[in-house]
Amino acid sequence: EAGVVQSPRYKIIEKKQPVAFWCNPISGHNTLYWYLQNLGQGPELLIRYENEEAVDDSQLPKDRFSAERLKGVDSTLKIQPAELGDSAVYLCASSSGTSGNTDTQYFGPGTRLTVL
Amino acid sequence: QKEVEQDPGPLSVPEGAIVSLNCTYSNSAFQYFMWYRQYSRKGPELLMYTYSSGNKEDGRFTAQVDKSSKYISLFIRDSQPSDSATYLCAMRALSGGYNKLIFGAGTRLAVHP
Repeated sequence: EAGVVQSPRYKIIEKKQPVAFWCNPISGHNTLYWYLQNLGQGPELLIRYENEEAVDDSQLPKDRFSAERLKGVDSTLKIQPAELGDSAVYLCASSSGTSGNTDTQYFGPGTRLTVL
Repeated sequence: QKEVEQDPGPLSVPEGAIVSLNCTYSNSAFQYFMWYRQYSRKGPELLMYTYSSGNKEDGRFTAQVDKSSKYISLFIRDSQPSDSATYLCAMRALSGGYNKLIFGAGTRLAVHP
């Protein structure tokens, strides 16, 4: 079974440019998460989707970040405009959503963003 | 103060050593505790999970939770070079609706032959 797929794996952009990350979760997983992982830190939740509904986006900086999950499957995370401090790894994870708080989250390999 | 504290290391041990990795936390509502392993340039993968206090063993890995001290540990016996990775503790509360995972900063482990 394929795991969580993310693309691109690496992205280098100049500040003030837009950037988008794509995630394809494990087939059948209703819950999708976007995390931010800074160097030397653990992942921090940005947004959580239940099917196509964003049910927790309290940590998403909405002035420059946006996300969507069309048809409750793939998801895209966008930054516009990017700032130097956005350089980090953006991780996508998915879970079946059937076990509530005991759901196991499966992570993708992440997109490493460098903003110059 | 962070909700979850974890020594970043790095920790360097010889092959075959017993490794002890630890996290402390401040939120007494945490009841579900996990350890993730993250290889370089990869996403975290779930290694062990424990509900509430006690021990759990899986092969060379043992997870311990001491809720009275707000302290969790992961022990790796007979460590191998393939265990070289960053180990992240994570935890969440189980009260009320959905509660997000809170991660530690991760401990980098290097096992040398």
